[in-house]
Amino acid sequence: EPEVTQTPSHQVTQMGQEVILRCVPISNHLYFYWYRQILGQKVEFLVSFYNNEISEKSEIFDDQFSVERPDGSNFTLKIRSTKLEDSAMYFCASSRLIDTEAFFGQGTRLTVV
Amino acid sequence: GNSVTQMEGPVTLSEEAFLTINCTYTATGYPSLFWYVQYPGEGLQLLLKATKADDKGSNKGFEATYRKETTSFHLEKGSVQVSDSAVYFCALSEARGGGSYIPTFGRGTSLIVHP
Repeated sequence: EPEVTQTPSHQVTQMGQEVILRCVPISNHLYFYWYRQILGQKVEFLVSFYNNEISEKSEIFDDQFSVERPDGSNFTLKIRSTKLEDSAMYFCASSRLIDTEAFFGQGTRLTVV
Repeated sequence: GNSVTQMEGPVTLSEEAFLTINCTYTATGYPSLFWYVQYPGEGLQLLLKATKADDKGSNKGFEATYRKETTSFHLEKGSVQVSDSAVYFCALSEARGGGSYIPTFGRGTSLIVHP
């Protein structure tokens, strides 16, 4: 069964460093998303991506964040200068069409020290 | 805007008890509704879905009915098992202006099932 894959599963970084979280969405999906979940809290929307551009972003997704689809398969989230409060589980998701369910990856646990 | 409200947890039950986790939503149009489950240490998995009013989604003994009149999508299971212990997220998705589409999640309800 097709699945969304994320790498790495766990990333530890020092405050102020740049990190890139990687995702391979399901191949025939058109919509891509990043969500995050701070430990014990709700799943928060960060950004959606369609047709090679950001379609919507939340107030969390400030200038420190960027997304890219560098080739036909990968979808990345970059955090330019990490802060302690960026520590969270980051989930990538994709969906085939509008109004269909989103399939989630296993997540990348980011720990900023 | 769209929102999802779930009952607060944790919900603690004994094995074979009946489960209900309440979920209500606010949306401008006709969303699709979902329940996702997150087992300890794992990611989000789709549990079930319903795409229109009066649809019933079901999977692994869980079920939920899309009630437009009460804007609800409560999750139920007749007899829970220890292995059902997880966090359950109610979610909706709806086409938005400009063609964007963003699944919106509730806060999650933790279920703990004791033997």
